[in-house]
Amino acid sequence: GAVVSQHPSRVICKSGTSVKIECRSLDFQATTMFWYRQFPKQSLMLMATSNEGSKATYEQGVEKDKFLINHASLTLSTLTVTSAHPEDSSFYICSARREGSNTEAFFGQGTRLTVV
Amino acid sequence: AQSVTQLDSQVPVFEEAPVELRCNYSSSVSVYLFWYVQYPNQGLQLLLKYLSGSTLVKGINGFEAEFNKSQTSFHLRKPSVHISDTAEYFCAVRRLGNTPLVFGKGTRLSVIA
Repeated sequence: GAVVSQHPSRVICKSGTSVKIECRSLDFQATTMFWYRQFPKQSLMLMATSNEGSKATYEQGVEKDKFLINHASLTLSTLTVTSAHPEDSSFYICSARREGSNTEAFFGQGTRLTVV
Repeated sequence: AQSVTQLDSQVPVFEEAPVELRCNYSSSVSVYLFWYVQYPNQGLQLLLKYLSGSTLVKGINGFEAEFNKSQTSFHLRKPSVHISDTAEYFCAVRRLGNTPLVFGKGTRLSVIA
């Protein structure tokens, strides 16, 4: 099956700093990547849809200046949490869909962000 | 817009017993349906999916689900669970086309020895 690698798996940072999370499709080209946020014992909430070479589409209520998404190539999308605060602590998961595919998206392992 | 309701937040079941995890959805257009499993601090793994055709879908790890259009349901079943099935299970839907998944709140399956 297709592999999506997310890095880092865990990160602890200080308030006010920025953190970058990478999402890579290792063995396929992904024209579309999705970023989700998961609060403890809750479901995944879509943050944004990222299309290669264009600006990300953010869901209502998600601050685009705080959560910067870049999808510069067909195999890499990044999420940067800028000026992180403790309330940004969460589990962030990316998923990628094959180029041309209309069905399944593959998920990364997730990143546990803790802001202290 | 689509929405997904997972009626049970937690389901405890004894090992080797059958289990059903319920999922109902709401959508004004045709959707694809999915079940994912999530182990602690990990991403999601696809169990099975319904795109079209036969309403009974078989997935990995002995799971199956049945799409019922009239009841807008897609319940997940397994005839005999194992300890290793303990995890969080998410039902999800999405519209046709290059669209994101909409998830239910999840059901925590706990298999008791």
